[in-house]
Amino acid sequence: DAKTTQPNSMESNEEEPVHLPCNHSTISGTDYIHWYRQLPSQGPEYVIHGLTSNVNNRMASLAIAEDRKSSTLILHRATLRDAAVYYCILRDAQKTGANNLFFGTGTRLTVIP
Amino acid sequence: DTAVSQTPKYLVTQMGNDKSIKCEQNLGHDTMYWYKQDSKKFLKIMFSYNNKELIINETVPNRFSPKSPDKAHLNLHINSLELGDSAVYFCASSQWYQGAGGETQYFGPGTRLLVL
Repeated sequence: DAKTTQPNSMESNEEEPVHLPCNHSTISGTDYIHWYRQLPSQGPEYVIHGLTSNVNNRMASLAIAEDRKSSTLILHRATLRDAAVYYCILRDAQKTGANNLFFGTGTRLTVIP
Repeated sequence: DTAVSQTPKYLVTQMGNDKSIKCEQNLGHDTMYWYKQDSKKFLKIMFSYNNKELIINETVPNRFSPKSPDKAHLNLHINSLELGDSAVYFCASSQWYQGAGGETQYFGPGTRLLVL
């Protein structure tokens, strides 16, 4: 699986937008960009994923660079509950069956009241 | 209803003991996983299993063995527990769909294992 690079930590003020970057310069044509987050003392949870076009859901937005070598997870209004470690992971959409997630170090987001 | 559940939530045991952690998913998924998160918070895959194949991370000691009585359950058995096995163990499940862009994995709440 192709590797991703994220900043170790970021801070945001509550109610402000947050842009979490991810670099994936070795992404292949069949790799989707997935984001998961892990809240304190909980298991990881899916946030969003995309291939080429920007994506929106109730949790966040995903902006994907035109060359697909980077992406940005956008939380439009950070709340205290969004404090978590955010993981950017590439998934080969053609792989079937058991398909592991390879977690890097992620970005620890601190939300300041 | 909890989608992926694990029992127990906490497990404290002595070195050398044998223990099991249970995982159940009610999502109808065909693939289940075990992950280990160590004290430095690195989350690593241990096993992935569906009705066709078991994939074992080669770094996992053979004291660890997954057992799946049916599609909804994947239990983790650990023999001769060691201090270094202390960690949080997460179970997950997923279902692959054509065109989904890589399946979404759903994680359980974790089992916190402490080996004394």
